[in-house]
Amino acid sequence: SQTIHQWPATLVQPVGSPLSLECTVEGTSNPNLYWYRQAAGRGLQLLFYSVGIGQISSEVPQNLSASRPQDRQFILSSKKLLLSDSGFYLCAWSGTGQAFFGQGTRLTVV
Amino acid sequence: AQSVTQLGSHVSVSEGALVLLRCNYSSSVPPYLFWYVQYPNQGLQLLLKYTSAATLVKGINGFEAEFKKSETSFHLTKPSAHMSDAAEYFCAVSRGDDMRFGAGTRLTVKP
Repeated sequence: SQTIHQWPATLVQPVGSPLSLECTVEGTSNPNLYWYRQAAGRGLQLLFYSVGIGQISSEVPQNLSASRPQDRQFILSSKKLLLSDSGFYLCAWSGTGQAFFGQGTRLTVV
Repeated sequence: AQSVTQLGSHVSVSEGALVLLRCNYSSSVPPYLFWYVQYPNQGLQLLLKYTSAATLVKGINGFEAEFKKSETSFHLTKPSAHMSDAAEYFCAVSRGDDMRFGAGTRLTVKP
């Protein structure tokens, strides 16, 4: 069966520090992969999606970037965090007509 | 382009009452439609999905949704609310490589 792993679960980082959130998928090949951010009152915002290794589509210009170095690995990064980057980040993969989500990362930038 | 609008960011019902969460979509092609539920500090779980088969879709936990093309709607209902239904609910539309979500509706169930 397919599983998705996302870590860490919680993270507190100072403003200006770098960020790296990692997501891996098991049990499937060539999945579509997504990063979403959930901010209070704003629902789920699609940040990046990827249909294959090295193929990244960015939805919103921002302080973040994404990379897909391997078929089942998706990384969300930032060189310098802003206070506005705080939120709940969700990784997901899609297949068989639905999306499957990781457990999320609560990021607090202080 | 696809988009989803959820009407009402907060819905409050009494235990045992009807639950109705509204979702309208916009899509240039026949869409796949989904409802997800999110409990605090957790990822999203799929409640149900519509993929162009039966227009009335039954999901888990007694929820169901009806696809109405003429109204571009996919409202989520449950005949009798339970305390454990308190959560945030997201409607989503997908066709192609990306999935778009609504802003979410927080459901509160009063005893």
